[in-house]
Amino acid sequence: AQSVTQLGSHVSVSEGALVLLRCNYSSSVPPYLFWYVQYPNQGLQLLLKYTSAATLVKGINGFEAEFKKSETSFHLTKPSAHMSDAAEYFCAVYSGGYQKVTFGTGTKLQVIP
Amino acid sequence: DTAVSQTPKYLVTQMGNDKSIKCEQNLGHDTMYWYKQDSKKFLKIMFSYNNKELIINETVPNRFSPKSPDKAHLNLHINSLELGDSAVYFCASSQGEYNTEAFFGQGTRLTVV
Repeated sequence: AQSVTQLGSHVSVSEGALVLLRCNYSSSVPPYLFWYVQYPNQGLQLLLKYTSAATLVKGINGFEAEFKKSETSFHLTKPSAHMSDAAEYFCAVYSGGYQKVTFGTGTKLQVIP
Repeated sequence: DTAVSQTPKYLVTQMGNDKSIKCEQNLGHDTMYWYKQDSKKFLKIMFSYNNKELIINETVPNRFSPKSPDKAHLNLHINSLELGDSAVYFCASSQGEYNTEAFFGQGTRLTVV
């Protein structure tokens, strides 16, 4: 069985501040992990993915995430928030084969000018 | 030249009606999906097709019937619509299994009145 938990349904940061969105996963096998972003009235877009290579994964728009097996975490960070980062962010886990991808409940990021 | 396109974008209909949502991808992918996103942004897979063959069928009422005439198209037909069917439905595609990036359409917002 696989699951993912996103801590905090809403996160507010000031423009220029660090962005930290938390994700913890549960998987019986080494998982693949993803972060997706959803802008208003849009579909989801892949930010980055972890597929058992480097534990620090760099994505688009300056985002990165670190896979920590000991903490079963895959938190998303960005050093300096931009107004354009305001969106809903989804963490997702996949444990292989034809199992479905399981999405977290999402974290809405608000960037305050 | 949209990668994954869904029509219509908005759909308002009365209870008991039958409606269809169409999806097409021009990425050459062999796997397509339907996801349902509820009012709390929770995203859940409904169906997955690989090369026109159904491979995932989640616990979805029989009123929902996907059809894949070819690997570039995956349509969703819904019979006897109910109030609880109101949601945003996303089509997505990927190449191979879920460890690759999934490309999402812009969604179809279905409102049943």
